[in-house]
Amino acid sequence: GQNIDQPTEMTATEGAIVQINCTYQTSGFNGLFWYQQHAGEAPTFLSYNVLDGLEEKGRFSSFLSRSKGYSYLLLKELQMKDSASYLCAQLTGGGNKLTFGTGTQLKVEL
Amino acid sequence: DTGVSQNPRHKITKRGQNVTFRCDPISEHNRLYWYRQTLGQGPEFLTYFQNEAQLEKSRLLSDRFSAERPKGSFSTLEIQRTEQGDSAMYLCASSLALNTGELFFGEGSRLTVL
Repeated sequence: GQNIDQPTEMTATEGAIVQINCTYQTSGFNGLFWYQQHAGEAPTFLSYNVLDGLEEKGRFSSFLSRSKGYSYLLLKELQMKDSASYLCAQLTGGGNKLTFGTGTQLKVEL
Repeated sequence: DTGVSQNPRHKITKRGQNVTFRCDPISEHNRLYWYRQTLGQGPEFLTYFQNEAQLEKSRLLSDRFSAERPKGSFSTLEIQRTEQGDSAMYLCASSLALNTGELFFGEGSRLTVL
């Protein structure tokens, strides 16, 4: 994901809140996705933002600012099972394909 | 329908051999994608189909790579004359229109080229 930037690794404590940031190229923007990927498994969908603001879905929320080319994924009440890679992906190609960032490896500790 | 299925799940081959991977998408999905993923990286787009038409192919995909979706259902990805740099997880995904829905991934086919 040459135009998508997210931190490589983060560590957080069980029960805490963590925010994973993502910046992307604003030209040709069609939408922003977040996926979760556990080691050795397929990516699974978490959220989709196309308008500015916060989308809340249980313990997970995603925020988008189109003018700033910025999104974040917020994970609350962290659990050990949340240890995974979190992939930011931009809808590109006229809305026909997803371009992924390199992923943020989150480690949740006791 | 249980989701996107791929086979084989693992393939070990010697350099120079040809390999073929198959993907069966979710039945009502008209779009099918192939991605490649290496350790510590996000999925990298290779190609996608709408029904049987291959609409885009990444410049990263050399002439040794070819993909087909002959009847607009399952797809195959063939790699000819494999090289060690081809070792990766090959992920297939399917969807309806992405601006109204998500991309569903299969478990992937892991290729190791010796």
